[in-house]
Amino acid sequence: GQQLNQSPQSMFIQEGEDVSMNCTSSSIFNTWLWYKQDPGEGPVLLIALYKAGELTSNGRLTAQFGITRKDSFLNISASIPSDVGIYFCAGPTTTSGTYKYIFGTGTRLKVLA
Amino acid sequence: EAQVTQNPRYLITVTGKKLTVTCSQNMNHEYMSWYRQDPGLGLRQIYYSMNVEVTDKGDVPEGYKVSRKEKRNFPLILESPSPNQTSLYFCASSLVGVEGTQYFGPGTRLLVL
Repeated sequence: GQQLNQSPQSMFIQEGEDVSMNCTSSSIFNTWLWYKQDPGEGPVLLIALYKAGELTSNGRLTAQFGITRKDSFLNISASIPSDVGIYFCAGPTTTSGTYKYIFGTGTRLKVLA
Repeated sequence: EAQVTQNPRYLITVTGKKLTVTCSQNMNHEYMSWYRQDPGLGLRQIYYSMNVEVTDKGDVPEGYKVSRKEKRNFPLILESPSPNQTSLYFCASSLVGVEGTQYFGPGTRLLVL
């Protein structure tokens, strides 16, 4: 089935540093989603992208929908301790009027104060 | 408060003993879904439902059943649990046609001995 490959798998950064992570697919997606999962919680949607080339911000977070529609990027500026968690990319795939979701394997972020 | 609730939050059981994990949402969402989360594999969709009495298989449906008799409830049934179903399970819901804005429950951690 379809897969979403995220990189890096994990990263340790110093507080205040900028973070970049990406997600790639072998097939096209028409929507790209970025979720964050805090420890012990369910994922929460951060940013949704609906158009190729789109660049969308949410506070210190910026995400881009790749032109090829096969990739997406998430950047976090000036990281703070509460940015710790797992970040997932995801995309819906449609079949006969229904849609299911494919999630990436996640990028685990740890911030050192 | 708008939310998705799951019960139980933690469950230890033995191989072959049927169990049900309940999921309920109070947002009048049509779309509901179950995921399992395993280390290194991210979130994988088990089953989803576009509306009452409409359910479809996700990527990993083997060994699971679901039902959607009411809009607010979407229970996950394991008829004969096996150790490879030990995992963290999440229920999620959203409006149909607003891909991406899924709301996740707090998770159910299942251990099958």
